[in-house]
Amino acid sequence: DAGVIQSPRHEVTEMGQEVTLRCKPISGHNSLFWYRQTMMRGLELLIYFNNNVPIDDSGMPEDRFSAKMPNASFSTLKIQPSEPRDSAVYFCASRGTGDTEAFFGQGTRLTVV
Amino acid sequence: QKEVEQDPGPLSVPEGAIVSLNCTYSNSAFQYFMWYRQYSRKGPELLMYTYSSGNKEDGRFTAQVDKSSKYISLFIRDSQPSDSATYLCATSSWGKFQFGAGTQVVVTP
Repeated sequence: DAGVIQSPRHEVTEMGQEVTLRCKPISGHNSLFWYRQTMMRGLELLIYFNNNVPIDDSGMPEDRFSAKMPNASFSTLKIQPSEPRDSAVYFCASRGTGDTEAFFGQGTRLTVV
Repeated sequence: QKEVEQDPGPLSVPEGAIVSLNCTYSNSAFQYFMWYRQYSRKGPELLMYTYSSGNKEDGRFTAQVDKSSKYISLFIRDSQPSDSATYLCATSSWGKFQFGAGTQVVVTP
């Protein structure tokens, strides 16, 4: 299994532009998580899906952030419009039913200038 | 206040020393307790997990949970330069994972 796949690995964009981050979870996993990691705030849970349904989006910082999971093998995190303070590493993780471990992707390093 | 608190370090130790890492958490509903290891520019990977209070040992690594004081510990014996990484404690309840800030550990040869 290739693990959790995220794209792009790096993204540099100008303030005000729309940014879309993509995630392909491990096949068969039914839970998907989006996290944001910064030096100041550590690893923050943004949103959590179970069976493609958003269960908890209380960590989504603002209306500029939105996430979708149209099917079991794909999820997106969109920021529109982007701001410099959104610069961070964004991780996607997935977990199978009954599993304890969440498997992380390699992350997308976002820089908004 | 974050639900899981962890000193970010950095923690620098000489090779062969014991590394001691700690976290505290606030929600007594948390059931699973985990330690993840994250190398530079990589995603976190599960190192160990425990359920409820007690100790768990895996090679040079020992995880401890004290639910009465809401305290989580990780000990690394005979530390190696390859152990240099950021260690994140995590708790899980109702399917959600909450992470500490992570402690950067540097093991010097």
